[in-house]
Amino acid sequence: GDSVTQMEGPVTLSEEAFLTINCTYTATGYPSLFWYVQYPGEGLQLLLKATKADDKGSNKGFEATYRKETTSFHLEKGSVQVSDSAVYFCALSMNTGFQKLVFGTGTRLLVSP
Amino acid sequence: DGGITQSPKYLFRKEGQNVTLSCEQNLNHDAMYWYRQDPGQGLRLIYYSQIVNDFQKGEIAEGYSVSREKKESFPLTVTSAQKNPTAFYLCASSIGQRGQETQYFGPGTRLLVL
Repeated sequence: GDSVTQMEGPVTLSEEAFLTINCTYTATGYPSLFWYVQYPGEGLQLLLKATKADDKGSNKGFEATYRKETTSFHLEKGSVQVSDSAVYFCALSMNTGFQKLVFGTGTRLLVSP
Repeated sequence: DGGITQSPKYLFRKEGQNVTLSCEQNLNHDAMYWYRQDPGQGLRLIYYSQIVNDFQKGEIAEGYSVSREKKESFPLTVTSAQKNPTAFYLCASSIGQRGQETQYFGPGTRLLVL
């Protein structure tokens, strides 16, 4: 079945460091891809998404590019802040039929001053 | 402001008790979903509803029940048949059910067993 694999955390960085969180997927067709962020004790917020190959999603300095050839959707940010500390979830949804989101297990990011 | 509200924020369940989690949205979305989140795991789908008076089981529906009598409301009942109910429960909605449409999440309800 369809699945999402994320790098295990926690990822620990100093403020202003470069961030990469790896995400790869397995799907029978061409899914839409999403990154969600969860701050402590809260629900999930959509961070960015891409609906077709080579699309780049971006928001709040975060970026991810839909790479069909490597089935990847890695999340990047050039300079992280303490306020970026959260859990990041990669997810996919097939573009036909009912939208069932398939989530990765999440990657916790800890940014220190 | 439009959004999704869930209540209560914390809920305690005694052995053999049914409890109901509330989810309300004022986004005029057709589709609504319930997910369960366990520590260190991704979200798993419990139930979903594409339109009023219709709902379908997700991957972990056993021990749960739902209703969808109104477009804006999708309550989840955790029954006594759910033997391990302690988790964080998240409700979501989307304007439709096509894959590229974004799901919007509520703030969640944490269920604890006494």
